[in-house]
Amino acid sequence: QSALTQPASVSGSPGQSITISCTGTNSDVGGYNYVSWYQQHPGKAPKFMIYDVSNRPSGVSNRFSGSKSGNTASLTISGLQAEDEADYYCSSYASGSILVFGGGTKLTVL
Amino acid sequence: EVQLVESGGGLVQPGRSLRLSCTASGFTFGDYAMNWVRQAPGKGLEWVGFIRAKRYGGTPEYAASVKGRFTISRDDSKSIAYMQMNSLKTDDSAVYYCNRAFSGLGGDYWGQGILVTVSS
Repeated sequence: QSALTQPASVSGSPGQSITISCTGTNSDVGGYNYVSWYQQHPGKAPKFMIYDVSNRPSGVSNRFSGSKSGNTASLTISGLQAEDEADYYCSSYASGSILVFGGGTKLTVL
Repeated sequence: EVQLVESGGGLVQPGRSLRLSCTASGFTFGDYAMNWVRQAPGKGLEWVGFIRAKRYGGTPEYAASVKGRFTISRDDSKSIAYMQMNSLKTDDSAVYYCNRAFSGLGGDYWGQGILVTVSS
C-alpha cells in the first residue's frame, strides 16, 4: 500500500486561508469516508484535527475544515495564525483493514 | 482524562528483539482498537499495525514492512497494548506511538512516543 500524496510544503500569511491536499486511490481515500488529519509540532505527538473527512473533534478550532472529492481529500485552515505553523498529515482507512498516512506537509506562516 | 504511556524503548542491536508497552487510562480500554504508529527521525508518520477490540475478535493487522516480525497483543485486564518486535533492522529506528483508534482507525488520543534505536 503506497503512502498518500501530500505537498511537501505550503505557506500563507496570518489571516489568510490555505488548503492542503491528500491524494490516494479508490482503495483508500476514494473508497471510504475515513480520512483523518493530524497536526504535529516539532518534538510533539500528533494531534487529531479532523475525522471522517470533515468532522472536528471537540476542542478543535472551527478554522480547520476538511472535505473530499473523489480520491483527493483536503484540509483547509482559515484565518491563519502563527501557532498553526506545524506539520500536517492525512490518513485514510484502506482496503484490507489497514491505515495509510500521507507523507506530511510543512505549513509555514509567513 | 485519557492517557496513553509508551514504555520499553531503547537501544538494541540489529536482529535482536524488543517489546513495547502502551499503558492506557481514563477510558474503557477493552472497548477500543489500538494502533501503533512510528516516525523515523526527520520523516513522516508510518502506520505499523493495530489490534481490534475483543468484541471484534481482538485480532491484529500489520503493515507490510513489519508483517511476520512484529506482533501486537493486548491485555484488557491491565489496559495495556503490547508490540513485540523481533528481527529488528536499522530501518526500524523511530519514535513509536500508540494511539486509541477512533472511526476508521484514525487515532484520537496519542501517547508521547518512545524512541527505539536499532544500531550495532
